[in-house]
Amino acid sequence: NAGVTQTPKFRILKIGQSMTLQCTQDMNHNYMYWYRQDPGMGLKLIYYSVGAGITDKGEVPNGYNVSRSTTEDFPLRLELAAPSQTSVYFCASVRGGGNEQFFGPGTRLTVL
Amino acid sequence: QKEVEQNSGPLSVPEGAIASLNCTYSDRGSQSFFWYRQYSGKSPELIMFIYSNGDKEDGRFTAQLNKASQYVSLLIRDSQPSDSATYLCAVNIGQPGGYQKVTFGTGTKLQVIP
Repeated sequence: NAGVTQTPKFRILKIGQSMTLQCTQDMNHNYMYWYRQDPGMGLKLIYYSVGAGITDKGEVPNGYNVSRSTTEDFPLRLELAAPSQTSVYFCASVRGGGNEQFFGPGTRLTVL
Repeated sequence: QKEVEQNSGPLSVPEGAIASLNCTYSDRGSQSFFWYRQYSGKSPELIMFIYSNGDKEDGRFTAQLNKASQYVSLLIRDSQPSDSATYLCAVNIGQPGGYQKVTFGTGTKLQVIP
């Protein structure tokens, strides 16, 4: 199993541009999460999904959107990028009834 | 008030010593508690979880939970330089084994000095 994969690894955006961060897991996990981690800070939940077709907002959803059309994929969309969205973004998944969040390698995003 | 609080450190311990990492949380409905290790530039990885009051041991790691005091700690015995990382405390208010609604602390940076 590849686990949780994220693309791209790095990206620089200009203010106002849009992009999609990709997240795929091959473990057939029900639950998937998007977090952002700012320097010296903990992980903040952006959006989560409990299954295909079901998504909900986390703690810091403004400026982001998600979809979950399949069990495997959970893309995060940034519209109108702002410097405040400069961060490292982690996708994670958990199997139903499980304890461990499996994290992807992260996407480092800079908005200039 | 922060929901999950950790001392940011750095906590420096000599090789072979016991490292003690602490975490407090505010939500009394919290059900399960996790310690994740995060190396610089890498993603977090789970090292321990605990549900019940008391101690849980796994190799050199011991997690301790006191729900009355809303306190969870991680002890690392025989600390090694490879243990140098940031340790994130995470608290889940969902039911154990169900959907996780997890809040992470800001992490404690541990430095093990050879």
